[in-house]
Amino acid sequence: DIQMTQSPSTLSASVGDRVTITCRASQSISDWLAWYQQKSGKAPKLLIYKASSLESGVPSRFNGRGSGTEFTLTINSLQPDDFATYYCQQYNSHSGTFGQGTKVEI
Amino acid sequence: EVQLVESGGGLVQPGGSLRLSCAASGFYFSNYWMNWVRQAPGKGLEWVANIKEDGSEKNYVDSVKGRFTISRDNAKNSVSLQMNSLRVEDTAVYYCARGSPILDWGQGTLVTVSS
Repeated sequence: DIQMTQSPSTLSASVGDRVTITCRASQSISDWLAWYQQKSGKAPKLLIYKASSLESGVPSRFNGRGSGTEFTLTINSLQPDDFATYYCQQYNSHSGTFGQGTKVEI
Repeated sequence: EVQLVESGGGLVQPGGSLRLSCAASGFYFSNYWMNWVRQAPGKGLEWVANIKEDGSEKNYVDSVKGRFTISRDNAKNSVSLQMNSLRVEDTAVYYCARGSPILDWGQGTLVTVSS
């Protein structure tokens, strides 16, 4: 099974900061990588799919990059609404392994 | 509007069984992979199982293989998860989720495995 390793687990930042979260796959997944945002007590929301494609309605300050085994999610100019937990997910191998999550906090 | 409504959660003893159901509406159900994803209290997301559009392929996380079975009924726009031999570590909110990647999620149903 493909394992996904996300870092850091917690990230402290301020409004206006640029933050980057990394996700590594245990084997190549091409660009079959998605990013989700989850707020406390709510279901996750899709932000990015196919590593770099922005889901409709998601602000352009969210940017995904990478292919193969190494991926990043960058949030430019962090907004108050962006403080949440972020997960990567591979959907290459007929399964859907998630990373451990990154909590972005003030 | 896409709606995914889970039901069937509850309290069950270790070794027991439970069947989760998900009623889908607002989209052409037969066109999408469907998933079950769970989240233990205070923990991260864990993908549990998925099923192909026509039900011909099913995949599971290793920890539930042989114990959980996913199924779907395209005529009734529903997907189910039969959970047998439940363990304390299966305690979680279980989400029904559409697509690959996941486009939509249900509100979740809580499964508690405890004696």
